[in-house]
Amino acid sequence: AQKVTQAQTEISVVEKEDVTLDCVYETRDTTYYLFWYKQPPSGELVFLIRRNSFDEQNEISGRYSWNFQKSTSSFNFTITASQVVDSAVYFCALSDGGSNYKLTFGKGTLLTVNP
Amino acid sequence: DAGVTQSPTHLIKTRGQHVTLRCSPISGHKSVSWYQQVLGQGPQFIFQYYEKEERGRGNFPDRFSARQFPNYSSELNVNALLLGDSALYLCASSLDGANLEQYFGPGTRLTVT
Repeated sequence: AQKVTQAQTEISVVEKEDVTLDCVYETRDTTYYLFWYKQPPSGELVFLIRRNSFDEQNEISGRYSWNFQKSTSSFNFTITASQVVDSAVYFCALSDGGSNYKLTFGKGTLLTVNP
Repeated sequence: DAGVTQSPTHLIKTRGQHVTLRCSPISGHKSVSWYQQVLGQGPQFIFQYYEKEERGRGNFPDRFSARQFPNYSSELNVNALLLGDSALYLCASSLDGANLEQYFGPGTRLTVT
């Protein structure tokens, strides 16, 4: 069975601080995909990134970076120099080869960036 | 290009009633998935349809059903509504059945009283 754990329920930071959102996953498959989505107050899930299990290379996109470590089954997300507009709920999700038609989401982390 | 659209935006129903939610995928996308998001939780998978056939079903009772039409739009039906069905219902579309990039709509907020 696949499972995603986001241990941080809520995080509050002051603007310009760096913040890391943790994600730990469980799957028995060797082929799987990991995702991060952002859900602002409007409710619509916004796709941020997808990584496959064979590519452990870290990725940077502007102020966003992702650290994928298979050894610890973690796929953490860092926002550098946070901004008020980054305030949202962030979800980590997993799709594996056994049931790649669905995403299994974590419970999400509410990030509040204060001015 | 238009994104995924869902209707209605909000809906209030009474216990025991039936509800139909609608979703139009991004043009050219042939797969539609439905998710239920209860307040404070992550979305939970309900169904996936690809090329008008059910490809996957989550752990939901038979009161939940769906279908996909020839134009790839989809309906989610819920019968005999319970208070616990109150949630945000999200529709996601993807190009094909591999579902590697799912684009979500704004959701339908269902309140059951």
